[in-house]
Amino acid sequence: QVQQVQTGAEVMKPGSSVKVSCRTSGVTFSGYSVNWFRQAPGQGPEWMGGIIPFLETTQYAQKFQGRVTIAADKSTHTAHMDLVNVTSEDTATYYCARGARDCSLSLCYFYYFGQWGQGTRVTVSS
Amino acid sequence: DIELTQSPLSLSVTPGESASISCRSSQSLVHANGYSYLDWYMQKPGQSPQVLIYLASNRAAGISDRFSGSGSGTSFTLKISRVEAEDVGIYYCMQGLHTPVTFGPGTTVDIK
Repeated sequence: QVQQVQTGAEVMKPGSSVKVSCRTSGVTFSGYSVNWFRQAPGQGPEWMGGIIPFLETTQYAQKFQGRVTIAADKSTHTAHMDLVNVTSEDTATYYCARGARDCSLSLCYFYYFGQWGQGTRVTVSS
Repeated sequence: DIELTQSPLSLSVTPGESASISCRSSQSLVHANGYSYLDWYMQKPGQSPQVLIYLASNRAAGISDRFSGSGSGTSFTLKISRVEAEDVGIYYCMQGLHTPVTFGPGTTVDIK
C-alpha cells in the first residue's frame, strides 16, 4: 500500500524555522516527484514547490523562493520541507504529495498528485 | 501566475442526477506534447485532497467511472454522473503546466 506519512504538528514562534518530513512507503521513491502544499483554514491548497529525487531537481513557487528548501533523502525515502522566518501568515496545514513529472529541457511539470500525506498542522504564535 | 476560475462556486444536487463544473484558465494549458496539464481534485472536510482526473480527461486509479473530465486549451469540465451522498466536498481544478502550480477557487458540492 502506497503511503506518505508526515511528521506531527508543530507550534512555532515568529521568526523561527519549521521542518516537516514526509516518508514514502510501498512504492518507488526516486522516479516520481514529491511536492509540498499548504492550506490555510477555509482556503484552497497552495503549491510551495517540488522535488524529483532521481534528478535531484527542485522547483519552487516564486512566493516562497529564498524561504523554503525542499530536499530528499533517497536512502530513507523521505522528503523534507524547511520554511524559515515564519510569521502568523504561515499558520496552515502542510501536505506532501507524490506526483507524476514530465521534464523537457530545463523545465519539469508536476501533476497527478496521487498520494497525499495526512497533513501537518503548523501554528505560528507568540 | 496562471489564474483558474471555476463555475459555479457552489452546487446542490439531487442524488442520482448529474452535475458539471467548469474550469477556465487565463492561459492555454496545452503542452507541445499535446497534453493539457489540468487535474481535478476533491477534498472532504478534514481530509487531504484526492485526485479524480489528470491530464484533463484521464481517470485516476481507483476513481469511479461516474467521474469524467473533458476539455483542452483554456476550457475544461468535470462531470459527475449519478451523484451520490459520498460525492459531497469541495472540487478544485489545478494546472501543472506553468510554474507555480495553481488551483481554482473550488466548487462546493452538497446534496439536496
